[in-house]
Amino acid sequence: GESVGLHLPTLSVQEGDNSIINCAYSNSASDYFIWYKQESGKGPQFIIDIRSNMDKRQGQRVTVLLNKTVKHLSLQIAATQPGDSAVYFCAENRGRGSQGNLIFGKGTKLSVKP
Amino acid sequence: DADVTQTPRNRITKTGKRIMLECSQTKGHDRMYWYRQDPGLGLRLIYYSFDVKDINKGEISDGYSVSRQAQAKFSLSLESAIPNQTALYFCATSAGYGYTFGSGTRLTVV
Repeated sequence: GESVGLHLPTLSVQEGDNSIINCAYSNSASDYFIWYKQESGKGPQFIIDIRSNMDKRQGQRVTVLLNKTVKHLSLQIAATQPGDSAVYFCAENRGRGSQGNLIFGKGTKLSVKP
Repeated sequence: DADVTQTPRNRITKTGKRIMLECSQTKGHDRMYWYRQDPGLGLRLIYYSFDVKDINKGEISDGYSVSRQAQAKFSLSLESAIPNQTALYFCATSAGYGYTFGSGTRLTVV
């Protein structure tokens, strides 16, 4: 989940297991959400996105679930691999559609044990 | 070449000095952004620009200024650097919803 303060929440999983990373967003009017992956020393990279008129979207090994009732977003990674180790951020688009700005959560660190 | 290039990658500067971080992009996007990243605090928006003549403050603009020299170039300045501006700075571009980020500039103010 998202953190408050200086310490990132950490999720530790065994290689091959499924990972679920959670995110709570604050603005019920947000119409678009993205998950980013940030590896050490690099900028955030796009993983998957979802619009508010959907509740599920699947990519390659990743699925994003959106529950607008409780303002909750999750990222599921199937068969987690060592290369999935990174910090994962959710972001919500606030403002008027494509004129809005992305507001980022504080991130969750995923560690994959071999 | 990277789509979004930030220079320098690392910089150490002294308190009170003026410093400029530069960002250039080859994606042809109109929108450009500067974010700051601190441990445990995620990315926070400093300034953004929807085109060359449009500059907007983000949530933490105090102590920073920007210049959009061209569609492809967006620079961030710290007029008088202070130690709590030590952070990782990211530039991003967008044509709509999704953002493309640069590799970041690690700035240390001593």
